[in-house]
Amino acid sequence: EIVLTQSPGTLSLSPGERATLSCRASQSVSSSFLVWYQQKPGQAPRLLIYGASTRATGIPDRFSGSGSGTDFTLTISRLEPEDFAVYYCQQYGSSPPITFGQGTRLEIK
Amino acid sequence: QVQLQQSGPGLVKPSQTLSLTCAISGDSVSSNSAAWNWIRQSPSRGLEWLGRTYYRSKWYNDYAVSVNSRITINPDTSMNQFSLQLNSVTPEDTAVYYCARAYSVVGRRFFDYWGQGTLVTVSS
Repeated sequence: EIVLTQSPGTLSLSPGERATLSCRASQSVSSSFLVWYQQKPGQAPRLLIYGASTRATGIPDRFSGSGSGTDFTLTISRLEPEDFAVYYCQQYGSSPPITFGQGTRLEIK
Repeated sequence: QVQLQQSGPGLVKPSQTLSLTCAISGDSVSSNSAAWNWIRQSPSRGLEWLGRTYYRSKWYNDYAVSVNSRITINPDTSMNQFSLQLNSVTPEDTAVYYCARAYSVVGRRFFDYWGQGTLVTVSS
């Protein structure tokens, strides 16, 4: 099973700042199968990025994803108040299991 | 627009069976390009994929190893929905349960639509 480790656990930033979130896999993951979600309290996760770098429909271009192999990054270029949430990476390979990282909480400083 | 509507009890007694249903609108449970999943979330286990059902000329199911002996996911084509049954539950199965659609675009897979979530508490 591929284990995804996200860092930092909590990131404290101010609106307008740049956020860099990391997702490290225990073994190589195809870029096609790396996904990022955003979750706000009381809501289901929301798809942000798939294929490591492709924004989902309706996602603002301040969100970008990059990386390959075992190291992937989600970057939010200029934080808006609505961006403060928990972010999860996920690997969706060709065979189960499908696994999620433990999440990074992005909080207002 | 795809919508997933979950239903089922929020309280289950230990050793009994957890049963949830996810009704699909805007897509078909028999779609050849989607898979229908159950995922749960708890403070101790985080987001945990439980299993899926999908149709590719015939029906397939895949389950997580952690629940493989206790789980059944069934499609219901007449109602365009799918269900989760988890047997012999314990308090460790207390979680928010989500149904979700998995979709693929040029070989890249992701969960794009989610149900509203159901908090299931296992307690006597």
